[in-house]
Amino acid sequence: DGGITQSPKYLFRKEGQNVTLSCEQNLNHDAMYWYRQDPGQGLRLIYYSQIVNDFQKGDIAEGYSVSREKKESFPLTVTSAQKNPTAFYLCASQMDRSSYNEQFFGPGTRLTVL
Amino acid sequence: SQQGEEDPQALSIQEGENATMNCSYKTSINNLQWYRQNSGRGLVHLILIRSNEREKHSGRLRVTLDTSKKSSSLLITASRAADTASYFCATDARGTSYGKLTFGQGTILTVHP
Repeated sequence: DGGITQSPKYLFRKEGQNVTLSCEQNLNHDAMYWYRQDPGQGLRLIYYSQIVNDFQKGDIAEGYSVSREKKESFPLTVTSAQKNPTAFYLCASQMDRSSYNEQFFGPGTRLTVL
Repeated sequence: SQQGEEDPQALSIQEGENATMNCSYKTSINNLQWYRQNSGRGLVHLILIRSNEREKHSGRLRVTLDTSKKSSSLLITASRAADTASYFCATDARGTSYGKLTFGQGTILTVHP
């Protein structure tokens, strides 16, 4: 999975709890991304960051928060405000802001709300 | 909203046959990319085609791009059981932040031995 690690692989949360999903990359990539995937669906962009200390909302940012204090780390917090958080979460990175680079994906975290 | 729409949603073939998947999109793009996802795993990049390119090859993969029709196709030749996976197209739309990809809903390919 190309130098990107996500932890944990499986995560269970009770309603009303915040949880943080970890994403680390050792590829020295500038840009990092968080996606959500629901069963039988494509990926939807939650947040992205193109440089350290800067990030932008994606298409479905409500109920999520991120930080980018270090180049190699881009944690995602799923807050209690997210109405339907059960999903598969994928982190990705890209070398830089160029439009001609591929994205490298981590193995994903499957979040289940009990 | 999803930029890419893929067709068919599911494809079942025998080993050795060719598999063709199609992707349509709505806006002008910088590039279009194809990714593969094995069940429950992360995505793996297959091929990137720029908006000024019409065809690209990589091993058994052939991708075409028709910007006038806003469509792309992925052809996998001489398929193998190991090609069984979901395949997604993703577009990098012109005028948006670079690297902000929009994914289609995917085609589930099953290759029977």
